[in-house]
Amino acid sequence: GDSVTQMEGPVTLSEEAFLTINCTYTATGYPSLFWYVQYPGEGLQLLLKATKADDKGSNKGFEATYRKETTSFHLEKGSVQVSDSAVYFCALSDYMNTGFQKLVFGTGTRLLVSP
Amino acid sequence: DSGVTQTPKHLITATGQRVTLRCSPRSGDLSVYWYQQSLDQGLQFLIQYYNGEERAKGNILERFSAQQFPDLHSELNLSSLELGDSALYFCASSVGGIDTEAFFGQGTRLTVV
Repeated sequence: GDSVTQMEGPVTLSEEAFLTINCTYTATGYPSLFWYVQYPGEGLQLLLKATKADDKGSNKGFEATYRKETTSFHLEKGSVQVSDSAVYFCALSDYMNTGFQKLVFGTGTRLLVSP
Repeated sequence: DSGVTQTPKHLITATGQRVTLRCSPRSGDLSVYWYQQSLDQGLQFLIQYYNGEERAKGNILERFSAQQFPDLHSELNLSSLELGDSALYFCASSVGGIDTEAFFGQGTRLTVV
């Protein structure tokens, strides 16, 4: 079945450093790709998404580009802040034969940003 | 605030017991998903309902069941609980259909002792 692999954490950075969190996927079709963020004690929030190859999703300074040739959707931010400390999940939409989708998540990568 | 409400936030119960987790979706959302988040399994899709009907099943144990009521709220029933069922259970809702954004609740943390 479809799957998502993302880099192990934690990723520890100083404030204003450049962030990359790697994500690769395996899918039989052409899924949409997502990044979700989970802050401590909260549920998951959609950070950004891309629905087709070469699309770039962006939000709050974060970006990710849907790369079909490398089956990747790496998350980047040019300058991280302490408030970005959270767990980041890469996910893809797996279309079921019912016509609906379910999300298949990676294992999550914890980001710790120090002042 | 995602608009998805889950109750209770925390639940501690003994092995062998049965519990019910409740989810109220965002206003207007017809689709409800249940996910289990555990340290060893990560985030796993359990089951999906759309407008009261079950639409898909994932890695849901036979001891678990769910339903969606006419007012669109959903309940996840977990029975004959085992220590390994301790996890964070998330509900998400969406309008439904392809590529519609899923909004997650804050989760119910279940601890089985």
